[in-house]
Amino acid sequence: DSGVTQTPKHLITATGQRVTLRCSPRSGDLSVYWYQQSLDQGLQFLIQYYNGEERAKGNILERFSAQQFPDLHSELNLSSLELGDSALYFCASSPRGGRYEQFFGPGTRLTVL
Amino acid sequence: AQSVTQLGSHVSVSEGALVLLRCNYSSSVPPYLFWYVQYPNQGLQLLLKYTSAATLVKGINGFEAEFKKSETSFHLTKPSAHMSDAAEYFCAVSDNTDKLIFGTGTRLQVFP
Repeated sequence: DSGVTQTPKHLITATGQRVTLRCSPRSGDLSVYWYQQSLDQGLQFLIQYYNGEERAKGNILERFSAQQFPDLHSELNLSSLELGDSALYFCASSPRGGRYEQFFGPGTRLTVL
Repeated sequence: AQSVTQLGSHVSVSEGALVLLRCNYSSSVPPYLFWYVQYPNQGLQLLLKYTSAATLVKGINGFEAEFKKSETSFHLTKPSAHMSDAAEYFCAVSDNTDKLIFGTGTRLQVFP
């Protein structure tokens, strides 16, 4: 158990819909990262937040957005969903900024039908 | 820009045999390198990390990796495979913006 929690574990929805994925980092960790794992793209970095502020952006679609709240939990919002958005979405946390190891949550498996 | 190449998407070994999973990196800054393992239907677990200290890094579950700057490699080894080592293994490099850049993964199968 990494100490990072993600909800829900599974999510099945239809094209065009909007979903919210939630992540609670390890106690005391200030940085939260979101990654997408799919068969065709592999593991890709989406976005990072540090202590409530956006720190870095990766291959995140404009239909996707995220935020980190004062209690440091984070949410990833996916809208206008397409079949190709079906993937595993991981959240990871690390103690602070900088090049430290990241601790991954169990992931949310999103299926878009 | 940083990148990671994992040679061999599938590796099969017999139980008790040496495990060798290959990783080569490209980095414009001194690299921080990681190996993660993913068991079926689970998240990623850190096996070990290199952060510019000792070049031979020991991790959990008997795994170790050696950083070779001249070869830009960070191969993962384990002297004796166990059935429970069957999983997918990812090599990753941390770039200067903190994010992890992952390789495409190597699925390890262990036969009895």
